[in-house]
Amino acid sequence: GQQLNQSPQSMFIQEGEDVSMNCTSSSIFNTWLWYKQDPGEGPVLLIALYKAGELTSNGRLTAQFGITRKDSFLNISASIPSDVGIYFCAGQKAGGTSYGKLTFGQGTILTVHP
Amino acid sequence: DTGVSQDPRHKITKRGQNVTFRCDPISEHNRLYWYRQTLGQGPEFLTYFQNEAQLEKSRLLSDRFSAERPKGSFSTLEIQRTEQGDSAMYLCASSKTGGRDEQYFGPGTRLTVT
Repeated sequence: GQQLNQSPQSMFIQEGEDVSMNCTSSSIFNTWLWYKQDPGEGPVLLIALYKAGELTSNGRLTAQFGITRKDSFLNISASIPSDVGIYFCAGQKAGGTSYGKLTFGQGTILTVHP
Repeated sequence: DTGVSQDPRHKITKRGQNVTFRCDPISEHNRLYWYRQTLGQGPEFLTYFQNEAQLEKSRLLSDRFSAERPKGSFSTLEIQRTEQGDSAMYLCASSKTGGRDEQYFGPGTRLTVT
């Protein structure tokens, strides 16, 4: 099935560093969401974006909804060890038969060295 | 407010056996989604309910898969005649119409078919 193009696939950083990851699609989405998943658990919602160009923060996390509605970015500032996990972007369309379902990226594996 | 719950968390079965998973959504969430996630990939949409009506099914959902939500509350996902390729994490998510329709995920059921 269709998946979004998420990069990078993995990142190894030192505690305190900032992190950036992005997600692109060939089609337009009306909503972009970012989730974090720990091993053996379900994804946890971090940030949701609803308007093109929107910039939203949640603590040390900042995400942006691209102007073209085909991309989104997530930044984590001053990383800490508990930021370790897999980060997924997800797009959601409105209307038609695709309404509601999420299309996910392949994930970015984040490792933080203390 | 409790989150989405899934049962069982883990299931090991032999090829050819039938299995059934249960999902209890967040109370008052009228939308319920099933996704499947294989190792190293993002979740992929399987099917979606609004109240008791199954409104969309992915082509990933073969004839051996069936999902129900008889009273518009909990849902079950049954896989008949399991195959080794069915081994995956099965995730359930719920959301509420009238708001921003953000999907919240349960912890998942890890299925291993031997």
